[in-house]
Amino acid sequence: DVKVTQSSRYLVKRTGEKVFLECVQDMDHENMFWYRQDPGLGLRLIYFSYDVKMKEKGDIPEGYSVSREKKERFSLILESASTNQTSMYLCASSPLGATRISSGANVLTFGAGSRLTVL
Amino acid sequence: DQQVKQNSPSLSVQEGRISILNCDYTNSMFDYFLWYKKYPAEGPTFLISISSIKDKNEDGRFTVFLNKSAKHLSLHIVPSQPGDSAVYFCAASETGGGNKLTFGTGTQLKVEL
Repeated sequence: DVKVTQSSRYLVKRTGEKVFLECVQDMDHENMFWYRQDPGLGLRLIYFSYDVKMKEKGDIPEGYSVSREKKERFSLILESASTNQTSMYLCASSPLGATRISSGANVLTFGAGSRLTVL
Repeated sequence: DQQVKQNSPSLSVQEGRISILNCDYTNSMFDYFLWYKKYPAEGPTFLISISSIKDKNEDGRFTVFLNKSAKHLSLHIVPSQPGDSAVYFCAASETGGGNKLTFGTGTQLKVEL
């Protein structure tokens, strides 16, 4: 059973703290993503990565950074946590797409999520 | 700018009846569409998808319809079951967009006994 594992299900941090959210996938997927989910806003893309040491900004990258040192691991970093970063964070992965109508590459597999509260 | 919109935040349906969830998009470059289901405290799980070369795709109780001219897609669940109660997200991607998905805001479906 393929999996995306997020190491922390619930975290409580204080304003200004540095926060690391870890994600590991065992499917040998090239693509990895970080989304956040907020009520009324759906899932919004923070950062994504196509390969080791590569990263691309998503729609809301401000206040975040990422690290991908190994293919299976993608970390989200909050350099200085703020209360507006209280959210559910979701990691996902997918295989590399090659063809125009490539269904498999578009199907993201998600982790269970990390609920972060910043006080 | 919300490129994928789900205008109904919630929907309540009786068990056995049809559930219809709607989704609109604005980006004409989107060419692949997906529906995900999410239970509380779990990550979203893939449900069904459709490419822009089709107007319908069916998988068991779930059917997705795509109307490209209207930039509209819908998910039909027949018959609805209590276990279908969840938040449903539609998502879209475009070729060359790097396989990233743009999600809608979600619709909370409640199937009542």
